[in-house]
Amino acid sequence: EPEVTQTPSHQVTQMGQEVILRCVPISNHLYFYWYRQILGQKVEFLVSFYNNEISEKSEIFDDQFSVERPDGSNFTLKIRSTKLEDSAMYFCASSDDRGTEAFFGQGTRLTVV
Amino acid sequence: AQSVTQPDIHITVSEGASLELRCNYSYGATPYLFWYVQSPGQGLQLLLKYFSGDTLVQGIKGFEAEFKRSQSSFNLRKPSVHWSDAAEYFCAVGGSNTGNQFYFGTGTSLTVIP
Repeated sequence: EPEVTQTPSHQVTQMGQEVILRCVPISNHLYFYWYRQILGQKVEFLVSFYNNEISEKSEIFDDQFSVERPDGSNFTLKIRSTKLEDSAMYFCASSDDRGTEAFFGQGTRLTVV
Repeated sequence: AQSVTQPDIHITVSEGASLELRCNYSYGATPYLFWYVQSPGQGLQLLLKYFSGDTLVQGIKGFEAEFKRSQSSFNLRKPSVHWSDAAEYFCAVGGSNTGNQFYFGTGTSLTVIP
């Protein structure tokens, strides 16, 4: 069964450093998403991406964040100058051209120290 | 604006007992509705979904949910809970009719006691 894969599963970084979280969406999907879940809190929408551009973003997704689809298979989330409060589980998701269901990856746990 | 409410933060049930997790949504049209489960340290696994048609949907692991338009609810049920069902459960609304964005509830944590 096709699945969304995320790497790494756990990333530890020092405050102020840049991190790139990587995702390989399901191959025939056209919509891509990043979500964040701070420990003990709900899953929050960050950004959606379609046709090589951001289609929607939340207020959380400020200038510190960026997304990119560098090739035909990867979808990345870059966090510049990480802060302690960026520590969270980050989920990548993708959906097909009807956008009726999001398939989620296993997540990357980011710890900023 | 779209929103999802899960009124129960934490539920404890005995193994073998029945379970109902509540979910209410706010949306102008008929939404696409989902239930996801998250085991500790794991990702989100889709349990079931409702797009249209029969309002009672069956999912994996013996779960079912019923869409009630009049109550704006999509409650998750299971007739007999197993210890392995202990997890966090998230209700979500989304899909192409919400700009392809998925909105999650705050989750319900399920504890199963022997």
